[in-house]
Amino acid sequence: QQQVKQSPQSLIVQKGGISIINCAYENTAFDYFPWYQQFPGKGPALLIAIRPDVSEKKEGRFTISFNKSAKQFSLHIMDSQPGDSATYFCATPPGSARQLTFGSGTQLTVLP
Amino acid sequence: SAVISQKPSRDICQRGTSLTIQCQVDSQVTMMFWYRQQPGQSLTLIATANQGSEATYESGFVIDKFPISRPNLTFSTLTVSNMSPEDSSIYLCSVAGGLAKNIQYFGAGTRLSVL
Repeated sequence: QQQVKQSPQSLIVQKGGISIINCAYENTAFDYFPWYQQFPGKGPALLIAIRPDVSEKKEGRFTISFNKSAKQFSLHIMDSQPGDSATYFCATPPGSARQLTFGSGTQLTVLP
Repeated sequence: SAVISQKPSRDICQRGTSLTIQCQVDSQVTMMFWYRQQPGQSLTLIATANQGSEATYESGFVIDKFPISRPNLTFSTLTVSNMSPEDSSIYLCSVAGGLAKNIQYFGAGTRLSVL
């Protein structure tokens, strides 16, 4: 399977701060780069995704930045809130097979 | 997005027994996937289940241990056979295709504990 390297493993941010999570992928063509958010006891939920032909996508407080030359994409959470406390996974779908390869996950804690 | 129902949501089983997990989707989807997520860990793909064909298993997972059925475009089952404590994990169903298009959506998962 394709390797996806995600960092940091854990992140603690004060309320109102910016949370930044990074992912690096190997050399394969993808249709899109998704980020999933998972709360305890729940399945992963799609948070935001970006196509490889754009460099940035913003949805509310969440922004994906994509750097094709560096083979990296990152998630920025602006004005982080305690309700954002969850585990975040980046993922890559290898080619046409559609199954996802997940990063190792980042446990985000936003302090009130 | 697709709405996915997984049953059971959790179970506690004895060593050596088998458990069948059901995954029901509210729309027809092309592809269904089964993942395993061990506590505090990331998700690992077990197999891809396509309607009308044999499931495709990832390295480290075999059909005898994790038989899968996909009788139609809205339903699939995963059986965890001859369970051991090492099988304690969360098992997740995911779908793509159809109304879900190329995005994968996940069920809430089945939390399995094997004693």
